[in-house]
Amino acid sequence: AQKITQTQPGMFVQEKEAVTLDCTYDTSDQSYGLFWYKQPSSGEMIFLIYQGSYDEQNATEGRYSLNFQKARKSANLVISASQLGDSAMYFCAMEIGGSQGNLIFGKGTKLSVKP
Amino acid sequence: SQTIHQWPATLVQPVGSPLSLECTVEGTSNPNLYWYRQAAGRGLQLLFYSIGIDQISSEVPQNLSASRPQDRQFILSSKKLLLSDSGFYLCAWSSLGQVNYEQYFGPGTRLTVT
Repeated sequence: AQKITQTQPGMFVQEKEAVTLDCTYDTSDQSYGLFWYKQPSSGEMIFLIYQGSYDEQNATEGRYSLNFQKARKSANLVISASQLGDSAMYFCAMEIGGSQGNLIFGKGTKLSVKP
Repeated sequence: SQTIHQWPATLVQPVGSPLSLECTVEGTSNPNLYWYRQAAGRGLQLLFYSIGIDQISSEVPQNLSASRPQDRQFILSSKKLLLSDSGFYLCAWSSLGQVNYEQYFGPGTRLTVT
């Protein structure tokens, strides 16, 4: 069965430092996509980064990078130079269901950035 | 540019009452549409998705239903709410033309069933 696991319910990081949020996944599909979303206290979900299973290079978007280790089925999010505005819930997600683009989400990690 | 609207933003309803949450998308045509629910301390659970008008698929059996009367309108309904229906409901859309099916989410509706 397809599954996303985020083992860190909460994380703290000092402002300006880097932080890694863990995500492991389980799927028998050969082709899949992995996403990270940020959810601030307002509740909206903000897309951060995407990694395709056939992408040879790790995805990067500004201060966000995805450490994709296919053999270990992990897709950790790395945030460099943390800012106070990075404090939020972060969700890892995987595309399932073929062409409909359906996603399954992990339970999330609450990141708190300390000044 | 594309925008997605949801209303109401918050809602408090008694058990057994009906529910109607609305989601509309602007600036795109023929989007895939999704309803998710986020319960306290949990990730998002996909409830329904739609690839076209009147084409609705349910992911989780429950007392909720969804309808898509127009291309860019997605409605989540219930005839009789349960306490367990409380949560944060998010509507999202994605484009068939996109390679990675990035989903764009609305602002959400916080539902409390009392």
